[in-house]
Amino acid sequence: RKEVEQDPGPFNVPEGATVAFNCTYSNSASQSFFWYRQDCRKEPKLLMSVYSSGNEDGRFTAQLNRASQYISLLIRDSKLSDSATYLCVVVGGGNTPLVFGKGTRLSVIA
Amino acid sequence: EPEVTQTPSHQVTQMGQEVILRCVPISNHLYFYWYRQILGQKVEFLVSFYNNEISEKSEIFDDQFSVERPDGSNFTLKIRSTKLEDSAMYFCASRRDGPNNYGYTFGSGTRLTVV
Repeated sequence: RKEVEQDPGPFNVPEGATVAFNCTYSNSASQSFFWYRQDCRKEPKLLMSVYSSGNEDGRFTAQLNRASQYISLLIRDSKLSDSATYLCVVVGGGNTPLVFGKGTRLSVIA
Repeated sequence: EPEVTQTPSHQVTQMGQEVILRCVPISNHLYFYWYRQILGQKVEFLVSFYNNEISEKSEIFDDQFSVERPDGSNFTLKIRSTKLEDSAMYFCASRRDGPNNYGYTFGSGTRLTVV
């Protein structure tokens, strides 16, 4: 079983749409969770951390369900500039490295 | 905003040659990492480095790979005898101290092409 699984997409949505990405992870001992954004042939950039209580940053909302080992990202009012690959990232804790999912590609269309 | 700087941005090398990928982490960061991403694949961990030694490495990081922090600012990844399958984007990353501080900053990467 893959450590971090994501729907690869692509998700093609019109501007203004709401889109949701899902991610599952296999290591129940994982302690920290993140969504990164990666533009084509660029480095990953931290979009937001994910907390058990859920957290929101503008149009972006992240949720974590530890019991189901499931993480989600909701993007409201999609913009053309949101087009990118969204990476689900999990960390075991301490100094263990980031574990990346393969990413979900989003294309927002005018 | 502080940056992690990687050079070169693109390197083409012949199979069997040695390559050195260079990184300058953010100056007050203490933890350093190399990750790689084969085209179309996920970002994969190679090695972490702290206090002038390797703290963890993946199974990808075999004897062909080595890391060094020769002068307190540069952080290098050496591949001793490159193979075709080493072609990938190599990302350096650094973060500040603290086991629960995951404020990683990634460099813009070096695209390695082995021919």
